[in-house]
Order: sequence, then C-alpha cells, then structure tokens
Amino acid sequence: EAAVTQSPRNKVTVTGGNVTLSCRQTNSHNYMYWYRQDTGHGLRLIHYSYGAGNLQIGDVPDGYKATRTTQEDFFLLLELASPSQTSLYFCASSDAWGPSAETLYFGSGTRLTVL
Amino acid sequence: GEQVEQRPPHLSVREGDSAIIICTYTDSATAYFSWYKQEAGAGLQLLMSVLSNVDRKEEQGLTVLLNKKDKRLSLNLTAAHPGDSAVYFCAVSARVVGQLTFGRGTRLQVYA
Repeated sequence: EAAVTQSPRNKVTVTGGNVTLSCRQTNSHNYMYWYRQDTGHGLRLIHYSYGAGNLQIGDVPDGYKATRTTQEDFFLLLELASPSQTSLYFCASSDAWGPSAETLYFGSGTRLTVL
Repeated sequence: GEQVEQRPPHLSVREGDSAIIICTYTDSATAYFSWYKQEAGAGLQLLMSVLSNVDRKEEQGLTVLLNKKDKRLSLNLTAAHPGDSAVYFCAVSARVVGQLTFGRGTRLQVYA
C-alpha cells in the first residue's frame, strides 16, 4: 500500500510569514497533489505534478507555489501567508496508469494556522 | 466545470440501521465515481470506485448505486456500526488527471 508522509503535522505562522509544507511518497507514483480542506468546501486542488520538475495548476492556486524535486518529494510553498490560507492541507499521490490510476493515496494532513 | 452536491452534510443513525449518502453531479462526461472515508485526524481513504458502465457494486456491507440518467451516485452502508463513524466524500471525474471533483462531505455518526 502507498505511503504518503506529510510534515509538519501542525504549523502556526503569522501573516506575511514564509511556510513550506513537505510531502514524501514511497510507492513510486507518478502523480502527486496538494489539496486544501475547509469546512463547507470539501477538498480543493491547489497544484499537482506528474513527475520531478513538473508542475500543473489546480483549481485554487492563488497564493501558493509548489515544487516537485524528485519522484518522491513534493513541496507546497506559501511565501506571504495570509489568514485565508488557514486550512487543513493534504498531499496525495496516484499511479499514472492501470486499474488503480484514479485512486488517490492521502497523507495524514498538515493543519496550518496563519495568525 | 463539474459541480458536485453531496447530502446530507450530517447524518446520525443507530447501530444496525442503514445510512445513505447521495451525490449529484452535472457533467455528462463524468465517467469515474468514487467514495472516500476520512476518520478523525487522518487522510482520506478510498472505499469503493466504479466506472460509468456499472450501475451497482457491493462490497463488505457497502453498496454504491449509479444512476446516470439522473446524474446521481449513492453510498449505502447497510447495518452501520460505530466504527463507520467518519466523514464520507464522493469524488467524480471524467477520467482526466487533476480533475477529480469532491463533494463537501457527510459527517456520519453511528450510535449504539
């Protein structure tokens, strides 16, 4: 089973602060995703990537950058954090093809609070 | 783009009763349908998925029904037990990467 590990589990920063959320997957999946989860909105896709060096824009990308440094590692960057970015962030990964291609494997989440 | 409505947002049932969660979607090209479960403090985990050529799928006390005519997807937990208490999400797509649309979630509580 795919393993997706996120760090940190919790993060508190101030408005204007610089935050990096980390994600590592150990099942050699091609695709990795960053979602935010907010009450009343479900999960919304911020960015995703299909391999090292690749980045695709999701549905709510404003205020976020992301970088995929290796097959395993995907980072979400908030360079000027705002209170509206207070949320629960999930990383996920998936295969590129095959019968399980659409299955997302999620990490346990990072709760970010921007004061 | 795709719009997904999920209801109810909250559901409370007695142990042994059934719990039904419904999602409606708007895009006729939607071809992949799934349900995820999120337990407290954890990420989402896939429960079941079906493609558009399947109307009904049953696994381990769960039944997924797909009505393409009405663009409706349902999840039925038969004989719910307290371990089923969690938040459930539907997620659908036209099988294009990066276009999986989630419902807003249903918080299910099963009480003894």
